[in-house]
Amino acid sequence: DQQVKQNSPSLSVQEGRISILNCDYTNSMFDYFLWYKKYPAEGPTFLISISSIKDKNEDGRFTVFLNKSAKHLSLHIVPSQPGDSAVYFCAASPNYGGATNKLIFGTGTLLAVQP
Amino acid sequence: DAGITQSPRHKVTETGTPVTLRCHQTENHRYMYWYRQDPGHGLRLIHYSYGVKDTDKGEVSDGYSVSRSKTEDFLLTLESATSSQTSVYFCAIRGLANNEQFFGPGTRLTVL
Repeated sequence: DQQVKQNSPSLSVQEGRISILNCDYTNSMFDYFLWYKKYPAEGPTFLISISSIKDKNEDGRFTVFLNKSAKHLSLHIVPSQPGDSAVYFCAASPNYGGATNKLIFGTGTLLAVQP
Repeated sequence: DAGITQSPRHKVTETGTPVTLRCHQTENHRYMYWYRQDPGHGLRLIHYSYGVKDTDKGEVSDGYSVSRSKTEDFLLTLESATSSQTSVYFCAIRGLANNEQFFGPGTRLTVL
């Protein structure tokens, strides 16, 4: 049972335009959400996060939106750049600041930004 | 750079042999994790540690064991490797702020 879902395996966007990556979750106990970016042959790198007490968090070109009632979050990248081409993973944690901090990951979305 | 290294980076082994992967951190973090990444599954937690000699199972722990005798080292052992354990393995540490985890570069393991 996939508790964190990324239903789009891939996304192609033109350079300079907005990229929107989506993520849905099923467990209402999740209270902290993260996005990771992964290049081939490298480990995932942390990008941005949001706690359930917020509905938006912004860091430069990256903004994460959280809709708790819909159990949906999205990552917006504006403007998109060719260097943003990577696999993006959504992750959720059921115990913010808790002892174990287990992360549940989605299956990833491959973003291709075309020059 | 979170100061995490993994060794080996690549390994090819045969079915039935034991394999040990090593994760080393220089940041003195308490929490460490082992994940595997497979197509269609994202990253899945195998085992984690919350201190020296303190470990617990993740969602895909069957066929794996771990040990942590020092803060800086977290070992993952495949007791008898199977082809289904062919994967890319990532180690992670928990940051000091919030719930972020920081990942090592990964080990690509192929079991023939």
